[in-house]
Amino acid sequence: EVQLVQSGGGLVQPGGSLRLSCAASGFTFNNYWMHWVRQSPGKGLVWVSRINYDGSITKYADYVKGRFTISRDNAKNTLYLKLNSLIAEDTGVYYCARVEVGALDHWGQGTLVTVSS
Amino acid sequence: QSVLTQPPSASGTPGQRVTISCSGNSSNIEGNYVSWYQQVPGTAPKLLIHRNNQRPSGVPDRFSGSKSGTSASLAISGLRSEDEADYYCEAWDNSVSGPVFGGGTKLTVL
Repeated sequence: EVQLVQSGGGLVQPGGSLRLSCAASGFTFNNYWMHWVRQSPGKGLVWVSRINYDGSITKYADYVKGRFTISRDNAKNTLYLKLNSLIAEDTGVYYCARVEVGALDHWGQGTLVTVSS
Repeated sequence: QSVLTQPPSASGTPGQRVTISCSGNSSNIEGNYVSWYQQVPGTAPKLLIHRNNQRPSGVPDRFSGSKSGTSASLAISGLRSEDEADYYCEAWDNSVSGPVFGGGTKLTVL
């Protein structure tokens, strides 16, 4: 069974940092591109970042470029998102998701990030 | 403001057929596949439709998708109470070099 189990969210002050993790199981992790998607409270889904099979290609939405870093450790079957210089607008639930058949076919359970003083 | 445009709400009675529209442009929907996701509040999104009209295994055939030009739609037939959820369309956007989503449609089963 494909599983994506997330961890690492929490409350952080403006300007602070956080690292999110997404542990994959039930499939060959290094065969898949992975994405992060954010959902602000009461709002819709917004794409954050993506990474290719071996981590050599990464891409970011303009609003997080230079502040967030996506990475992966294929030996640990884990995807990461490092969030720096956090602002209130970064508050939301962050989901990791796997890409298959050109869509996000499996999602993590989500992890809440709250940026507040 | 979402890149893809969806109606904020839709409704129907049990057994009815409802459709949800999704409008984009030449940078996203027109040249790329459209996917649809179902999200029950408080849970992660679930893939319903990929490649415009393909259902993953386990998704009932009551759900169907279509695409024409810069628009797409999701149809749900034989509406059931458990279909009450938020529905999102998504397509790759060539200018963003990533996926873009609609704002979501809240489906209410009356």
